[in-house]
Amino acid sequence: DAGVTQSPTHLIKTRGQQVTLRCSPKSGHDTVSWYQQALGQGPQFIFQYYEEEERQRGNFPDRFSGHQFPNYSSELNVNALLLGDSALYLCASSSRDGRSETQYFGPGTRLLVL
Amino acid sequence: AQTVTQSQPEMSVQEAETVTLSCTYDTSESDYYLFWYKQPPSRQMILVIRQEAYKQQNATENRFSVNFQKAAKSFSLKISDSQLGDAAMYFCAYRSPNNWIYNQGGKLIFGQGTELSVKP
Repeated sequence: DAGVTQSPTHLIKTRGQQVTLRCSPKSGHDTVSWYQQALGQGPQFIFQYYEEEERQRGNFPDRFSGHQFPNYSSELNVNALLLGDSALYLCASSSRDGRSETQYFGPGTRLLVL
Repeated sequence: AQTVTQSQPEMSVQEAETVTLSCTYDTSESDYYLFWYKQPPSRQMILVIRQEAYKQQNATENRFSVNFQKAAKSFSLKISDSQLGDAAMYFCAYRSPNNWIYNQGGKLIFGQGTELSVKP
């Protein structure tokens, strides 16, 4: 049973560029959440996708956008990159089949903005 | 707004001994979920244990157990018979109950983490 996968594993960009990160959820999961984790900090919630729509959003600017595809995979797009966007980006998947909806995380994408 | 606080930035334990990591949270909700996640140097976030607030019984998963004190809003993690592989950053996290009509309850709120080292 494949877990949550993310690509790429590492990425280096320069200020002002745009980046797209990808996530495939765990088999049987239909909901994808994205988190940003700066070095030495706990993850911060960016947004959550379900049924191809953004359902909940954290305190992130509009430069951060996303998409969910019919196969439940998801993309995170960040425009006009800033140095402060350097972080580990984590994707988590879950299933809306009950109360608990435990989130399982992928290995993350490390983004460095120069 | 809910907050999660981990007051111990670093902890150390001798192999085979027991260690307790602390977590407190603030919420006005009566129903919620609490989690402990482990993040080793690979930075893969791994679920350790989960507690539902409506359950009075403390959750247990093998060597890992929690002490959930709802009135005190405290949620500590006890690791028994510590192993070298337990060395990692541990995060406490809170989640509100799901409310799909209002698209609420999806996000995890994390504490700042506790770095656990295990001495051989």
